[in-house]
Amino acid sequence: EVQLAETGGGLVQPGNSLKLSCATSGFTFSTAWMSWIRQTPGKRLEWLAQIEDKSNNYFISYLESVKGRFTISRDDSKSSVYLQMNNLKEEDTAIYYCTRIIRDKGYYFDYWGQGVMVTVSS
Amino acid sequence: DFQMTQSPASLSASLEEIVTITCQASQNIGNWLAWYQQKPGKSPQLLIYGTTSLADGVPSRFSGSRSGTQYSLKINRLQVEDIGIYYCQQASSSPWTFGGGTKLELK
Repeated sequence: EVQLAETGGGLVQPGNSLKLSCATSGFTFSTAWMSWIRQTPGKRLEWLAQIEDKSNNYFISYLESVKGRFTISRDDSKSSVYLQMNNLKEEDTAIYYCTRIIRDKGYYFDYWGQGVMVTVSS
Repeated sequence: DFQMTQSPASLSASLEEIVTITCQASQNIGNWLAWYQQKPGKSPQLLIYGTTSLADGVPSRFSGSRSGTQYSLKINRLQVEDIGIYYCQQASSSPWTFGGGTKLELK
């Protein structure tokens, strides 16, 4: 059974940092492309970043509005993906989901974690 | 970025009714479109990808279609377990973008 479990969320003040982790199991993580997506309080979904596998040199791409503040990384030995978030803003308040990407007639998100809440507030 | 405009924003329907949700792409995305279902209190789940292909385990009452840059999700014979929010997503060009969602409720 495929499982993705995010941890590391919480309440943080504007300008501070937070690192999210996503532990996975049930599939071959080393060949998987992984992504982070957030859902705002208004229920809007926003793709943030993705990291490809070793065969693609761990290529990384970001949503422009978080580039320079957010960093995605992975540890294949731990089947885990991470999201380092710096200089957090109130508009970063959201539920953050770790997802797996499938490449079949496009790029889609076939497995999602349960999500972790990040609240940025003073 | 490619914009995805979903309609309606909310929809109330009766059991066994046929429901249609649409998504308009701002540019040509071919057949590179997905639909997700988010049940109350749960994470989104992939429903349809490549415009028409059902994800594993998805009931056959769900179907997807396309006319130009307009995409549709159809639910035949609405069931109580279909209640939730539905999102479209374009998979043609990064950044991958989602529609604003359609909240489906029972009448």
